[in-house]
Amino acid sequence: DAKTTQPNSMESNEEEPVHLPCNHSTISGTDYIHWYRQLPSQGPEYVIHGLTSNVNNRMASLAIAEDRKSSTLILHRATLRDAAVYYCILGENGNQFYFGTGTSLTVIP
Amino acid sequence: SAVISQKPSRDICQRGTSLTIQCQVDSQVTMMFWYRQQPGQSLTLIATANQGSEATYESGFVIDKFPISRPNLTFSTLTVSNMSPEDSSIYLCSVIWMDAVPLEQYFGPGTRLTVT
Repeated sequence: DAKTTQPNSMESNEEEPVHLPCNHSTISGTDYIHWYRQLPSQGPEYVIHGLTSNVNNRMASLAIAEDRKSSTLILHRATLRDAAVYYCILGENGNQFYFGTGTSLTVIP
Repeated sequence: SAVISQKPSRDICQRGTSLTIQCQVDSQVTMMFWYRQQPGQSLTLIATANQGSEATYESGFVIDKFPISRPNLTFSTLTVSNMSPEDSSIYLCSVIWMDAVPLEQYFGPGTRLTVT
């Protein structure tokens, strides 16, 4: 299983952009890059995913390096509700996930 | 929107006993998974629940300890057998909806298990 490396924790001020990095140097050609987040006392929820091109949705943007060995989840304006553990996961679409340790994001009012 | 429910939401059990956790979804899914999240830790995949056949277990998890059933496309159970305090965790099911775009996993609310 391809592994991901994320910082254990990050802080951001409210209403500022947040860039959450993820390294995945052993990614295979068929692996998608998935981002999930887990709010306190809840199950993980889908944020965004991509394969090669940068992706945008209503929650976030995903920037994928040209060599696909790293990616960055971008929250454009952090709110207090964005405080969560963010997981970067590699996997083929529709298959099981192997979670890493994730990044715990603290949003400072 | 589609709903994933788990029962019970929490339980406190004595060591040596067994607990069966149910995962119910309100529309058909292609894939169902069971995860464990120990206190302060990330999620660990226990197994893939296969409809009408034996589950596919990950390394370190065995059927005798974590028997899983999936009788149809909307329901699965995970049993934690002969429990010990080390089994105290949150157990989560996740699903991939049939014909969903994207084919992402959606997680239930979890079952918080405490073994005394």
